Amino acid sequence: EPEVTQTPSHQVTQMGQEVILRCVPISNHLYFYWYRQILGQKVEFLVSFYNNEISEKSEIFDDQFSVERPDGSNFTLKIRSTKLEDSAMYFCASRLAGDTDTQYFGPGTRLTVL
Amino acid sequence: GNSVTQMEGPVTLSEEAFLTINCTYTATGYPSLFWYVQYPGEGLQLLLKATKADDKGSNKGFEATYRKETTSFHLEKGSVQVSDSAVYFCALSDFQGAQKLVFGQGTRLTINP
Repeated sequence: EPEVTQTPSHQVTQMGQEVILRCVPISNHLYFYWYRQILGQKVEFLVSFYNNEISEKSEIFDDQFSVERPDGSNFTLKIRSTKLEDSAMYFCASRLAGDTDTQYFGPGTRLTVL
Repeated sequence: GNSVTQMEGPVTLSEEAFLTINCTYTATGYPSLFWYVQYPGEGLQLLLKATKADDKGSNKGFEATYRKETTSFHLEKGSVQVSDSAVYFCALSDFQGAQKLVFGQGTRLTINP
């Protein structure tokens, strides 16, 4: 069964460093998403991406964040200058284009900012 | 804006007990409703969904009915197993824009043998 994959599973970085989190969505899906979950808190929407552009973003997704689909299979989330409060589990998701289609999630990347 | 409120956890039950995890929502329009499950060390998996009022989603013995009049989508299972131990998330999406998911806070369920 096709699945969303994410790498790395755990990333440790120093405050102020840039990180890139990688995702490979399911191959025929058209919508891509990033969510994050700070330890003990809700899963929060960050950004959605369709047709090679951002379709919606949350207040969390400020200028420090960017997304890209560099090669037709990968979907990346870049944090330019990490802060301590960026420490969280980051989930990638993808779905087909129908109104009721389900979002399929990857296993997540745990980001720890020291 | 849209929001989801879930029963506070953690919840601990004995094997074969009846399970209910409450979920209520606030939304404009007619959202789709979902239950996702997160097993230890894994990502979020769709457990079941319902896309319109009075629909019942079901999977692996779990059920939830979309109740528009009470804005609820409570998760139930008649007889839980140790393998059901996980974190359960209620969520909604709407048909507008990117159809992002709005999640509840999650309920950690532990089943003891």
